[in-house]
Amino acid sequence: DAKTTQPTSMDCAEGRAANLPCNHSTISGNEYVYWYRQIHSQGPQYIIHGLKNNETNEMASLIITEDRKSSTLILPHATLRDTAVYYCIVSRGTGANSKLTFGKGITLSVRP
Amino acid sequence: DAGVIQSPRHEVTEMGQEVTLRCKPISGHDYLFWYRQTMMRGLELLIYFNNNVPIDDSGMPEDRFSAKMPNASFSTLKIQPSEPRDSAVYFCASRVLTNEKLFFGSGTQLSVL
Repeated sequence: DAKTTQPTSMDCAEGRAANLPCNHSTISGNEYVYWYRQIHSQGPQYIIHGLKNNETNEMASLIITEDRKSSTLILPHATLRDTAVYYCIVSRGTGANSKLTFGKGITLSVRP
Repeated sequence: DAGVIQSPRHEVTEMGQEVTLRCKPISGHDYLFWYRQTMMRGLELLIYFNNNVPIDDSGMPEDRFSAKMPNASFSTLKIQPSEPRDSAVYFCASRVLTNEKLFFGSGTQLSVL
């Protein structure tokens, strides 16, 4: 699976949009971009994933560049409960022998 | 569904003792994963199963670690003998073949003294 690069940390103000970047320049054509988050002392939680089109769900939006070498996770109105470590992962997705390898992630701190 | 259930939530043991961590995946899920998380190494994949069969155990640190899945609703991760460097949070996760979402349990916090 391709490797991802994320900043170590960032912060944003409560109520504002949080834009979390991720670089995956070696992504291959059949690999998806996944985002998970881990709130302190809990197991990671799925947020969203995409292949090449932008995606949106009740939690967040995922913007993938046209060349697919980078993406941005957007939390439109960050709350204090969004303070967590966010992991960007590239993987082939479903199917036999598909597994998720987590990196260090980016620590998002939402300030009041 | 209650989600992925792990037990115990916390385990404190002495070096040299055997430790057994337990996991009940979500009913109907084909895949089960064991991860370990430490400050130094982050979240590492140890082993995963498909339909109760181990597929990839390349992440298992050494022979002291073993994992089994005797049936679709139960898996164990055993450490024998345990060492202080095994102290970590151990997570179990499961998913179905046709869905990429991985569901994690609450983890077992292991402390080896």
